[in-house]
Amino acid sequence: KQEVTQIPAALSVPEGENLVLNCSFTDSAIYNLQWFRQDPGKGLTSLLLIQSSQREQTSGRLNASLDKSSGRSTLYIAASQPGDSATYLCAVSGYSTLTFGKGTMLLVSP
Amino acid sequence: EAGVTQFPSHSVIEKGQTVTLRCDPISGHDNLYWYRRVMGKEIKFLLHFVKESKQDESGMPNNRFLAERTGGTYSTLKVQPAELEDSGVYFCASSQVLNSEQYFGPGTRLTVT
Repeated sequence: KQEVTQIPAALSVPEGENLVLNCSFTDSAIYNLQWFRQDPGKGLTSLLLIQSSQREQTSGRLNASLDKSSGRSTLYIAASQPGDSATYLCAVSGYSTLTFGKGTMLLVSP
Repeated sequence: EAGVTQFPSHSVIEKGQTVTLRCDPISGHDNLYWYRRVMGKEIKFLLHFVKESKQDESGMPNNRFLAERTGGTYSTLKVQPAELEDSGVYFCASSQVLNSEQYFGPGTRLTVT
């Protein structure tokens, strides 16, 4: 049974810092890995999807890496801004399902 | 292009009542998924449709939950009768092809009292 763990559970940083969110999973037989952000009371917004054959994906200030063999992914956020404050969720794809971690709650203060 | 929409956004019902949640996927997306998050837990998979067929319903908690996708467009998830432990946020997602990016709706917050 796939299990996804996200560390840290919460993170508070001043604006401008670069930061790394971590995600680990127990079963390396995945199709892809997706990072989402969720704002309070809102749905999930897809940030990046990394296929199992890829090592990383970049979108703007976000960079996600994947090391499938070791069951790890990181989401790097450069030059953080208050608007980045949200909960970040990592999810790995099995055949037809996504297995989620509990998320990292990020607060970026001005 | 419209995203995934869900209705209602919030539902409060009493234990023993019936509730039906609706999801409209992105137009053209054959794959539709239901997920749920109960308080303090991670989001968990419920089931997956490909067009009108149930591809995987391994996450459905019990037979009080019934999902349909008649015509392969929108989907409904009925809970009958509702129990207290059914409270949570129910998310719907869709994707164009299997194992591609999933796009989520805003969720329906269900409160059973």
